[in-house]
This record gives sequence, structure tokens and C-alpha cells, in this order.
Amino acid sequence: SQQGEEDPQALSIQEGENATMNCSYKTSINNLQWYRQNSGRGLVHLILIRSNEREKHSGRLRVTLDTSKKSSSLLITASRAADTASYFCATIPQGGAQKLVFGQGTRLTINP
Amino acid sequence: KAGVTQTPRYLIKTRGQQVTLSCSPISGHRSVSWYQQTPGQGLQFLFEYFSETQRNKGNFPGRFSGRQFSNSRSEMNVSTLELGDSALYLCASSFLGGGNTDTQYFGPGTRLTVL
Repeated sequence: SQQGEEDPQALSIQEGENATMNCSYKTSINNLQWYRQNSGRGLVHLILIRSNEREKHSGRLRVTLDTSKKSSSLLITASRAADTASYFCATIPQGGAQKLVFGQGTRLTINP
Repeated sequence: KAGVTQTPRYLIKTRGQQVTLSCSPISGHRSVSWYQQTPGQGLQFLFEYFSETQRNKGNFPGRFSGRQFSNSRSEMNVSTLELGDSALYLCASSFLGGGNTDTQYFGPGTRLTVL
């Protein structure tokens, strides 16, 4: 079963703009991770944020986590055509096994 | 370090056949997890192996099985294939697994088509 709901399901923006994707989840978690997938290929790990962290940065990526609202957001700044991909949030529920529970993903398209 | 590798990359089978997929984790990683990705169900956890033992299992029928070898390489097997088994099968490895902050690194996947 899916743990997360991602919003929006699809997002189309112009190159250079910022892209924000949101993820909500249902149960308490240990950490939340964001992955990128290019057109039916493997998943590339972007960033992991622990449940006791509120914000994390990695290059042009900024992730926030609000455990009280059970939600996270991924911000990609100064988008590039190469950022076109599907983005998934994934959680490991607290007390659960080492198994990622994924959202349905956001399809991001960057227009040149 | 070399990444996670999966073989074969593409596979076409017919209903009723069985299939074996292979995954080689990143060197030093002891945990291997398998996921199924379909357009309808999204990404779903199949099972996780650690030190040759299945540690966790998702909600899939017994036709889906796996194993892990002493070198941490893993295989998954699907018997009596059904049309609905057509999917991208992804393997992920992590150093310890079972932990709360362990990043999983994914392979490129095996695209299985069942005719």
C-alpha cells in the first residue's frame, strides 16, 4: 500500500524557474527520502532527512519536513532541462523494517 | 565504487513460465531489497535479504521468491508468470539495512514483459 501522497501529480515549468513538490504520509517515520527517476529507469537517491531534522540542503535541492503535519516538500531551484523526471518521496515507517514505502510520484517537466 | 547492477535489463516471457532476475549490490553492502514498479500500483516492496536471510517481506503471493548468496548477490524468482507480473523490477542495496537512516541505492531495473 502507498504511504505517501504527492502533490502535484504533474508539474510543468520553464527552465530557470523553481519547482516545488509536496509529499504527505500517514504514519510516524524514522526518515524520509526523495528519489528521482528518469523515464522508466532506476531510482537515483537525492536526499535523506531524518525525523528530527526540519530542513536539509543539497546543491539546488532543499527539503523540508514537518512531522506534525506528516508532510515534506522538495524544492528544486533554478531548474534545468535535465531535471525533467519523476520525483518520489519514500518513507521508512517508525518501528518498521528496512522497506521504503513510496508515494505515487510527481512528474516534473522542464520546458526550455 | 561500482553501483548496483541488475541482469538482464530486459526480458520477455509468456504466461506460465518462470523467470529469475539477478542483482549485484554495491561492494560492502549486505542488504538487498527488491521492488516492483507498475503504472497502476506504483513502487511496491517485495522483500529484503540480509546476510543470506529474508528479513522482510511485502504483500506478494508465494510465486515471488528470492535468495541471497554469501557474496550478497541476490536473485528473485517469479514462477507461473501472469500478465500482471509485467513490471519494472528494481533492486536496491544498503550497507546494513534494517536501520533507520540507511540510504538505499537502486539499480537500473529489469523490465519484464509477460505475453
